[in-house]
Amino acid sequence: QAVVTQEPSLTVSPGGTVTLTCGSSTGPVTSGQYPYWIQQKPGQAPKTLVYDTSNIHSWTPARFSGSLLGDKAALTLSGAQPEDAAEYYCFLSYSGGMVFGGGTKLTVL
Amino acid sequence: EVQLVESGGGLVQPGGSLRLSCAASGFTFSDYHMDWVRQAPGKGLEWVGRTTKNTGDKYTTLYAASVRGRFTISGDDSKNSLYLQMTSLKTEDTAVYYCGRLPPGHWGQGTLVTVSS
Repeated sequence: QAVVTQEPSLTVSPGGTVTLTCGSSTGPVTSGQYPYWIQQKPGQAPKTLVYDTSNIHSWTPARFSGSLLGDKAALTLSGAQPEDAAEYYCFLSYSGGMVFGGGTKLTVL
Repeated sequence: EVQLVESGGGLVQPGGSLRLSCAASGFTFSDYHMDWVRQAPGKGLEWVGRTTKNTGDKYTTLYAASVRGRFTISGDDSKNSLYLQMTSLKTEDTAVYYCGRLPPGHWGQGTLVTVSS
């Protein structure tokens, strides 16, 4: 089974910019893997911010954007707010199913 | 408005069975990939399985290796509902189970399954 890798933790200053990445053990992440970025806060259900690499939901703050960066999928947060502190999961599609990354704990400090 | 409401969770003994339901509203669930994911206490999200309706009105299902052969995903078009039948439950199946519609990634609020003697 493929392994999806994410940074375990990142810290960003309020108003700052941070990029979270998502790699695959099978090779470069492609748009054909329909990368998702999901935010989860303690005690809450998952909330999808970005789907299919770069599509955002109506509820996704404009400061979030998704892309492919080199061999990885990326989620960029520009102008971090205290409420962006959360766990962020990447979710990729493979022929045998979907795989989540281990999550990145983002601290805004 | 898209809504997904899971139900059916509870306490079950190891080796037991449980069926979870996911009631969908605001869309026709058979038009989309429908996934089950879970989250064990204090752990990350884990994909459980997916069902997709293909042309010819047949469903294709995929499962994670950890549940294959024990869990079955099905759907009832007339009730716009998705189900997760879980058998031979293990303590490591203890988790909050969420159903989701992909794309674009709508999720329910989840239902807690506890497998314990």
